[in-house]
Amino acid sequence: QSALTQPRSVSGSPGQSVTISCTGTSSDVGGYNYVSWYQQHPGKAPKLMIYDVSKRPSGVPDRFSGSKSGNTASLTISGLQAEDEADYYCCSYAGSYTFEVFGGGTKLTVL
Amino acid sequence: QLQLQESGPGLVKPSETLSLTCTVSGGSISSSSYYWGWIRQPPGKGLEWIGSIYYSGSTYYNPSLKSRVTISVDTSKNQFSLKLSSVTAADTAVYYCARHGMVRGVPRPNFDYWGQGTLVTVSS
Repeated sequence: QSALTQPRSVSGSPGQSVTISCTGTSSDVGGYNYVSWYQQHPGKAPKLMIYDVSKRPSGVPDRFSGSKSGNTASLTISGLQAEDEADYYCCSYAGSYTFEVFGGGTKLTVL
Repeated sequence: QLQLQESGPGLVKPSETLSLTCTVSGGSISSSSYYWGWIRQPPGKGLEWIGSIYYSGSTYYNPSLKSRVTISVDTSKNQFSLKLSSVTAADTAVYYCARHGMVRGVPRPNFDYWGQGTLVTVSS
């Protein structure tokens, strides 16, 4: 069982927006502003899409945005495109004993 | 452009030790701003952080794996390595190496450069 809880799957049509949640506890997501999100296409390495809750690395489209409320972080993808179909993982700093914890992953299907 | 490349045996026998090396090119592993980590992904499953190392040799491990994991660094070769002992079939996974930053001196979960991954199968 993963430390962070994500929905197993979400879906949306091209042009729509989808939001993927990542629920933890006050010891990880809720306790620090160090949540990141990764996109992973089949057979490929994960790609950093969001870090520090809401910051985008250079080259990541502004269609991808991150936020946090309490113990739940969220990734929102607006203007869905076919190439956004992938698995998405959240990751959070979890203190000086556990350090980094990942979510179980969410499969995004673009209908 | 920074590149990371994993290398090592693709098949390990149960109870033996898995050994992998990550070679960093296009940048120095001795940068004061980054940690170097290992993450694994069992077939069809999610990501799991294994542990990370700073160029000075400071290490941080996943508590669930800590008793079996050793991560080391060789700055002269711009490499860092993973050893996982007493492996079982549950350790079969794609193993990735990645770079990430730090917060207050400890690893920060912004894995921005990744290797392509290497599949390690545990089987007799």
